[in-house]
Amino acid sequence: AQKITQTQPGMFVQEKEAVTLDCTYDTSDPSYGLFWYKQPSSGEMIFLIYQGSYDQQNATEGRYSLNFQKARKSANLVISASQLGDSAMYFCAMREGTRANAGKSTFGDGTTLTVKP
Amino acid sequence: GAVVSQHPSWVICKSGTSVKIECRSLDFQATTMFWYRQFPKKSLMLMATSNEGSKATYEQGVEKDKFLINHASLTLSTLTVTSAHPEDSSFYICSAREHPRGLAAETQYFGPGTRLLVL
Repeated sequence: AQKITQTQPGMFVQEKEAVTLDCTYDTSDPSYGLFWYKQPSSGEMIFLIYQGSYDQQNATEGRYSLNFQKARKSANLVISASQLGDSAMYFCAMREGTRANAGKSTFGDGTTLTVKP
Repeated sequence: GAVVSQHPSWVICKSGTSVKIECRSLDFQATTMFWYRQFPKKSLMLMATSNEGSKATYEQGVEKDKFLINHASLTLSTLTVTSAHPEDSSFYICSAREHPRGLAAETQYFGPGTRLLVL
């Protein structure tokens, strides 16, 4: 079974509007971390935001916020006030906390976001 | 933030040759480095986990004799694609993390990637 599911291969958003990128995950480990990365056409992976499984509050980093719904196992990324430079591929990733999986991140298939002027 | 470099950023080689890709952590000691492979518009697929001073742990389906990984120091890991063939053409990305403070909390730092084209 896929551990990270991103159901939106592509998304469009108008500049200055907000957009939500979906991510659901599957794990039986009580300790895990959820990450979002941005990958522009240059290929570099840019870390955006992190949510720990025990965190009580949703993570926020500037224009990025993570809508963490633990019971639903979802960790959607919300980008507010979209900018043209936000056009890129976005990956949701999970790292589980057990020793057997220590440090290994599992990535979703990604969502290509296009911001329209 | 922490910086991870990769060299070379681009490599074009003939079929049958070997290619070495270096991954360096520039301002921290990386006890663990990860090597990923990515096809265009696709997800990152973990190839192997490299721990300093020990043998790499390969993911299922990855040929360890084909993709040689060496993590000789706390700041350097190398991936050698041996006898490269056109199907090995891909984007290879390394990432590194510091000595773990907690198993899930620490951030992985990614290198800028290496594009390999085998003719």
